[in-house]
Amino acid sequence: DSGVTQTPKHLITATGQRVTLRCSPRSGDLSVYWYQQSLDQGLQFLIQYYNGEERAKGNILERFSAQQFPDLHSELNLSSLELGDSALYFCASSVFGGGSQETQYFGPGTRLLVL
Amino acid sequence: AQKITQTQPGMFVQEKEAVTLDCTYDTSDPSYGLFWYKQPSSGEMIFLIYQGSYDQQNATEGRYSLNFQKARKSANLVISASQLGDSAMYFCAMREGRRDFNKFYFGSGTKLNVKP
Repeated sequence: DSGVTQTPKHLITATGQRVTLRCSPRSGDLSVYWYQQSLDQGLQFLIQYYNGEERAKGNILERFSAQQFPDLHSELNLSSLELGDSALYFCASSVFGGGSQETQYFGPGTRLLVL
Repeated sequence: AQKITQTQPGMFVQEKEAVTLDCTYDTSDPSYGLFWYKQPSSGEMIFLIYQGSYDQQNATEGRYSLNFQKARKSANLVISASQLGDSAMYFCAMREGRRDFNKFYFGSGTKLNVKP
């Protein structure tokens, strides 16, 4: 158990809908990262937050947004969902969010299926 | 150019034997970290081992060791005495210390199957 929690574990929804994925980082970690893992794209970095502020952006679609709250939990919002958004969404956390030594610890993931 | 390359999409190993999973990386940053993660069929990503670019010795964690060859830019994972539970996808990752220091680069993974 990495100490990172994600809810829900599974999510089934329809095209055009909006969902929210939630992540709580490990105790003491200030940085949260979101990743998308699909079969054809591998593990794709979406976005990072550090202590409530956006720190880095990866291949995140405009239909997707995220935020980190004062208690450091984070939410990833996916809207106007398409079939291709079906994937495993990971949240990871690290202590600070920078530097080559920082290990990221991953949550169990949320498996999203868009029908 | 790919930051992390894993050239073995799939590997088989006999139980109790050692196996090496290859990883090469590309960076001009003198400060970087290399990581290996395991992803079993259940889906979670499990951190296994870390190697820093300035570390003089190869990292070891139990049955996992990292064969770090800096000049060749390779960071191969060695699993000794393979167990059935080692069957999983294995990902090599890199984090640079200065340039784009917030980004984690992942390889495409190697699927390891341990045969009884």
